[in-house]
Amino acid sequence: RKEVEQDPGPFNVPEGATVAFNCTYSNSASQSFFWYRQDCRKEPKLLMSVYSSGNEDGRFTAQLNRASQYISLLIRDSKLSDSATYLCVVNQFLAGTALIFGKGTTLSVSS
Amino acid sequence: DAGVIQSPRHEVTEMGQEVTLRCKPISGHDYLFWYRQTMMRGLELLIYFNNNVPIDDSGMPEDRFSAKMPNASFSTLKIQPSEPRDSAVYFCASSYRLLNEQYFGPGTRLTVT
Repeated sequence: RKEVEQDPGPFNVPEGATVAFNCTYSNSASQSFFWYRQDCRKEPKLLMSVYSSGNEDGRFTAQLNRASQYISLLIRDSKLSDSATYLCVVNQFLAGTALIFGKGTTLSVSS
Repeated sequence: DAGVIQSPRHEVTEMGQEVTLRCKPISGHDYLFWYRQTMMRGLELLIYFNNNVPIDDSGMPEDRFSAKMPNASFSTLKIQPSEPRDSAVYFCASSYRLLNEQYFGPGTRLTVT
């Protein structure tokens, strides 16, 4: 099983739609979780951290399910500008190991 | 802060040539990471430094790749000799702590012909 797995998509949705992505991770001891956004031909940028109790930032909601070992990202009222690749990031919780990035899920929002 | 700075932004070189990529991390960040991104393999961690010391270089593909961090504000990734399969986008990132969010530079798009 891969350390971090994401559905690559693409997810094609109309403006105003609600879309959700899931990401599964293999190490049950993982404690740090993030969602990054990467625009075409740009660098990844932090979208939001994911906290145990779930957290919201405007139209974006992140959830953590430790029992099933996945995190999710919900985008409400999609905008054209949300079109990007969303990377799931998890730590392995092994001494000295860095964060692990998923390959990303591509979202395309159309008018 | 200017963010993470990388140079060059684009590099086109012929097979067998030496390539040097440069990175300046965000001031005050103790960790520096080098990544390679391709469509097939996604974002791969090559090596990371803590306080200028290489900690994990298990992602470096082979001896043709080397990285240095002579001081807190500068790092290089060198490929010698370069091969066409090295063509990718190379990102440098830095963070305050190992498991804190990482801030990426704009990347160097390398093409080896």
